[in-house]
Amino acid sequence: NAGVTQTPKFQVLKTGQSMTLQCAQDMNHNSMYWYRQDPGMGLRLIYYSASEGTTDKGEVPNGYNVSRLNKREFSLRLESAAPSQTSVYFCASRPTGPTLAFFGQGTRLTVV
Amino acid sequence: AQSVSQHNHHVILSEAASLELGCNYSYGGTVNLFWYVQYPGQHLQLLLKYFSGDPLVKGIKGFEAEFIKSKFSFNLRKPSVQWSDTAEYFCAVMVTGGGNKLTFGTGTQLKVEL
Repeated sequence: NAGVTQTPKFQVLKTGQSMTLQCAQDMNHNSMYWYRQDPGMGLRLIYYSASEGTTDKGEVPNGYNVSRLNKREFSLRLESAAPSQTSVYFCASRPTGPTLAFFGQGTRLTVV
Repeated sequence: AQSVSQHNHHVILSEAASLELGCNYSYGGTVNLFWYVQYPGQHLQLLLKYFSGDPLVKGIKGFEAEFIKSKFSFNLRKPSVQWSDTAEYFCAVMVTGGGNKLTFGTGTQLKVEL
């Protein structure tokens, strides 16, 4: 049981490049989340998906797009990376109801 | 919109000292509350959670938290910290029926000195 798997674990991009961060969970969870973690700012919600087929903006959605491809997968896309998007990105999932969220290992992204 | 405040950004304690980290949230409805811990170089791990029932919740490694609804608070406590408790601690709140949005506080960096 792998839980929440994020790929890649590390990535360096040049300003203006695009890339997609992948997230997959094998726990049949309905809800999935993308967060970014920056020093002194905690985890800020970028986008979330309450169920397959729906996505909603979080606190800091600008510069990002998401796709809930199916129940398992929730990808985060940077169309034109900027240095301000240098961060550690975490994907999480949880089932419906009063339950806890499970987090992936994180993707450390550097934009130069 | 729901929000979570952690007022202590950095805390330094000596081993065996008692710990209390503050967490307040702004939402008047039914909430689920969590404390997560992130050890250096690692991902987030759940410390404890509150869904309903007894407002005093016990978690792993001797941590506990008390939900005080009238104060919108969910403070984390540990009677005697250890050097291995050095980590960053995050409080999180989820509004039930609120689209499953899970909101985190800005975190508290705890350093325990020998």
